[in-house]
Amino acid sequence: DGGITQSPKYLFRKEGQNVTLSCEQNLNHDAMYWYRQDPGQGLRLIYYSQIVNDFQKGDIAEGYSVSREKKESFPLTVTSAQKNPTAFYLCASRNRGSGEKLFFGSGTQLSVL
Amino acid sequence: AQKITQTQPGMFVQEKEAVTLDCTYDTSDPSYGLFWYKQPSSGEMIFLIYQGSYDQQNATEGRYSLNFQKARKSANLVISASQLGDSAMYFCAMREGWNTGNQFYFGTGTSLTVIP
Repeated sequence: DGGITQSPKYLFRKEGQNVTLSCEQNLNHDAMYWYRQDPGQGLRLIYYSQIVNDFQKGDIAEGYSVSREKKESFPLTVTSAQKNPTAFYLCASRNRGSGEKLFFGSGTQLSVL
Repeated sequence: AQKITQTQPGMFVQEKEAVTLDCTYDTSDPSYGLFWYKQPSSGEMIFLIYQGSYDQQNATEGRYSLNFQKARKSANLVISASQLGDSAMYFCAMREGWNTGNQFYFGTGTSLTVIP
């Protein structure tokens, strides 16, 4: 079945540590996105990528980094510069087309130890 | 200004009744798309319904319909015959323009509880 796989489901970060969240899709979608969700707030865009080897910052990119070396994969690294990383992280993808919706993974809950 | 506004933090509805979840949007782009997503406690975002800015008819998908009032810039979600499984967070979202890379803007969500 086609879909988006995020791993791990739960992740814990120590002070000063970088952690990487995985996102893999087998939908052959061009565009991929990372969103952060905090309680009581909507989804906020961290980074997005339209094609391989290209990505753009979203509204809250500081303290995060991404790569897009393969069409299927768009990993997100939460660096030590992100001082408040505790949140639910959602990866999404979509195909070209005006009405094309976002497909989402099941999310990763990141907490700070 | 907020691109998407959802003014109902929480809503309750009796099972089998209909419920309307409000959403207003703000854009000056004539080309845009409006989406509703459901997020159960498991966390995954589930697509429900889509309305394009040039669509003449209100979108419908099974028990979901979108009440699109372009002049008022509102895109309310109507759920008919509510079921217990409809209890979840609901998010309204908008994408401006047709470029694949254009970002989606999300509202803060409405928590819906269906009462037996």
